[in-house]
Amino acid sequence: GAVVSQHPSRVICKSGTSVKIECRSLDFQATTMFWYRQFPKQSLMLMATSNEGSKATYEQGVEKDKFLINHASLTLSTLTVTSAHPEDSSFYICSATKGRSGTEAFFGQGTRLTVV
Amino acid sequence: GENVEQHPSTLSVQEGDSAVIKCTYSDSASNYFPWYKQELGKRPQLIIDIRSNVGEKKDQRIAVTLNKTAKHFSLHITETQPEDSAVYFCAASNKNTGFQKLVFGTGTRLLVSP
Repeated sequence: GAVVSQHPSRVICKSGTSVKIECRSLDFQATTMFWYRQFPKQSLMLMATSNEGSKATYEQGVEKDKFLINHASLTLSTLTVTSAHPEDSSFYICSATKGRSGTEAFFGQGTRLTVV
Repeated sequence: GENVEQHPSTLSVQEGDSAVIKCTYSDSASNYFPWYKQELGKRPQLIIDIRSNVGEKKDQRIAVTLNKTAKHFSLHITETQPEDSAVYFCAASNKNTGFQKLVFGTGTRLLVSP
């Protein structure tokens, strides 16, 4: 299967600071990546679709100015949580699919963000 | 948009028993239905998937059934083992919005006791 690597796996930051999370497809090119948020014991909620070379598409209720997404290359998408607050603490996870018609989503290992 | 409901939220079985998890979806345009297994603190892993042109698919101890008319699909695990303990998520997507854009169910925590 394909490999998607996410970094960092854990991060603790102070309120008001920004945190960048990277999602890389290691052995394939991904024109589209997806960012999810998962609260403890809850489901994965899609936050946004990251499109290589163009603006991300955000789901309803997700603040695009707070969750900045950049997809500058075919193997890297970044999610920056700006001005983080304790309520932003969560498990953030990305996914990518091989090829435009691929179906299986390969997930990164996730990033546990704790804002103190 | 699509809405996926999943039941039960928790399921406890004895080793060797069967486990069944059910999902319903709302968008009749959905035509791809994967199931993911997620162990604590780890990434979801695809265990089986089914497309709408098929009613059933089986892979060893795991099977998925799909009823398009009723808009529901189910995961069946036979001869459960303790290592099957995890959270299972169903999902749905369609060609119009992109197969890759998954809407997940709420998850089922499966506990298999030895």
